[in-house]
Amino acid sequence: ETGVTQSPTHLIKTRGQQVTLRCSSQSGHNTVSWYQQALGQGPQFIFQYYREEENGRGNFPPRFSGLQFPNYSSELNVNALELDDSALYLCANNPGRGGEETQYFGPGTRLLVL
Amino acid sequence: RKEVEQDPGPFNVPEGATVAFNCTYSNSASQSFFWYRQDCRKEPKLLMSVYSSGNEDGRFTAQLNRASQYISLLIRDSKLSDSATYLCVVGHNDMRFGAGTRLTVKP
Repeated sequence: ETGVTQSPTHLIKTRGQQVTLRCSSQSGHNTVSWYQQALGQGPQFIFQYYREEENGRGNFPPRFSGLQFPNYSSELNVNALELDDSALYLCANNPGRGGEETQYFGPGTRLLVL
Repeated sequence: RKEVEQDPGPFNVPEGATVAFNCTYSNSASQSFFWYRQDCRKEPKLLMSVYSSGNEDGRFTAQLNRASQYISLLIRDSKLSDSATYLCVVGHNDMRFGAGTRLTVKP
């Protein structure tokens, strides 16, 4: 097992609502990355954090935001939910600074927006 | 053009077959390369890293051609348990995934 956990496992929201997804990392894993995986697609990079600061972002609008905490846990916040936000959201960790290292994934949160 | 492109699949093969997956990437500055495996409704898991010299792990062989920006994965003697989606992943400051190729190995 990777030691990465995510909560909740499933979530249903309606358009316009806000959601917070959580990820707990292994101690010492300084970099956390978040991905969105739509059905039938590969994971799409949202952003990554290194020691509590964002240090990379994919092609996602500002309503996708995040936080990383000193205990290595992190959050993904999505405001003004849209139907297309329905997806599996994955959190991944690695010990170093670079997001190009081997990623260890959590089990994901399945979000359905109605 | 997508940053990472893979064979669309699906691949349906009998047990014992050899199957090859191909992947191309657009960023010539990419620094790291991986194949991940994803089972249905599960998270991706690292299958193997890919090195310039090529590398092998049991029945799995990965190759990298930096000049052509091409990565491959060869699976020999396919098992039923190899059925999954195989994701090509390229790293440069962050990780970029292909859409995945679905493999089904049948008895």
